[in-house]
Amino acid sequence: EIVMTQSPATLSVSPGERTTLSCRASQSISSNLAWYQQKPGQAPRLLIYSASARATGVPARFSGSGFGTEFTLTINSLQAEDFAIYYCQHYNNWPVHFGQGTKLEIK
Amino acid sequence: EVQLLESGGGLVQPGGSLRLSCTASGFTFSNYAMTWVRQAPGKGLEWVSVIIATASSTNYADSVKGRFTISRDNSQSKVSLQMNDLRAEDTAVYYCARTRGSVVYYFDSWGQGTLVTVSS
Repeated sequence: EIVMTQSPATLSVSPGERTTLSCRASQSISSNLAWYQQKPGQAPRLLIYSASARATGVPARFSGSGFGTEFTLTINSLQAEDFAIYYCQHYNNWPVHFGQGTKLEIK
Repeated sequence: EVQLLESGGGLVQPGGSLRLSCTASGFTFSNYAMTWVRQAPGKGLEWVSVIIATASSTNYADSVKGRFTISRDNSQSKVSLQMNDLRAEDTAVYYCARTRGSVVYYFDSWGQGTLVTVSS
């Protein structure tokens, strides 16, 4: 099974800044990676699929990159509503797995 | 607008059973695979089960294989998860999600979830 590792576990950033979240796969997953955002008490929301494609309605300040085993989610000019937990998920083969999440908090 | 509404959660004793349902609207249900994902309190996301659009193929996480059964009724735009022999570690919010991809999947729309608590 492919293990997904996200870093850091918690990230403290000021509004308006740019930040980068990392996700590493235990083996190559090509570009079969998705990113989700989850706010407290809410369901996850798809942000990125195929490592770099933005889902419908996702603001352009969110971007994804990477291939193989190393992936990043970049958020430019952080807004108040962006502070949440972010999960990556591989869908290269079964079973799919999520990373443990990165909590993005206000500095 | 895509909407997914889960129901059926609640408190059940260890060894008991529960049936979750998810009713979809706002899209052509019969064109999409559907998935259940769960989240234990304060924990991350865990994929549970998937059923393809025609219901001819299903897949399960090892942690639930042999205890959970996923099914769907395309005429009612509904996907269900029959959960038997429930354990404390099955306690979680269960989300249904519309599923995208060709062979393996990601999840582009999610319901609000239903809480399952397994406790005596």
